Amino acid sequence: DIQMTQSPSSLSASVGDRVTITCQASQGISNYLNWYQQKPGKAPKLLIYDASNLETGVPSRFSGSGSGTHFSFTISSLQPEDIATYYCQQHDFPPITFGQGTRLEI
Amino acid sequence: QVQLVQSGAEVKKPGASVKVSCKASGYTFTAYTVHWLRQAPGQRPEYMGWINPDRGNTRSSQKFQDRVTITRDTSANTAYLELNSLTSEDTAVYYCARVRRPHPPYDAYDVWGQGTKVTVSS
Repeated sequence: DIQMTQSPSSLSASVGDRVTITCQASQGISNYLNWYQQKPGKAPKLLIYDASNLETGVPSRFSGSGSGTHFSFTISSLQPEDIATYYCQQHDFPPITFGQGTRLEI
Repeated sequence: QVQLVQSGAEVKKPGASVKVSCKASGYTFTAYTVHWLRQAPGQRPEYMGWINPDRGNTRSSQKFQDRVTITRDTSANTAYLELNSLTSEDTAVYYCARVRRPHPPYDAYDVWGQGTKVTVSS
């Protein structure tokens, strides 16, 4: 199975800050990497698909980049409603696997 | 609107089986693969398997292959997950999710069910 390693595991930031999360795959996955936001008691929500494409309706302060084994996810200006856990997920090789999550706090 | 609505919470005893349903609306059910995942408390989501609602073919993760059955009823626009031989380690929230493009079967998940909490306890 492909291992997905996110960094950091938790992050404390202030409103307006630029926040970056990284995700490393144990082998190359091209650009088949997605980012989700999950709030407590809710299902994950797709933010970025195929490494850098913004899902419809998602604010433009969210962005993603990378390919191969190294990926990053950025919130350009943190808002209070962005408090959540963020997961990366690969869909290049089954089984689909997720990173361990990054808990974002203000 | 496009949505997946799952059945309600379940409490089961060790050794029992559970069957969770996922009803699709707002789109053509047979056009998109539906996946099943679960998430134990404080853990990352875990992929379990998928079904092509059009053809009915399925694929399950090797971890669950012996215990999981994924089916669908196209007349009811509903997919099902059945998990057998439950243990306390199966306590989790179970989700169905739709892939964002009709093909291939592996893709980002753009629509999720609300989750079904399954508790396994004696």
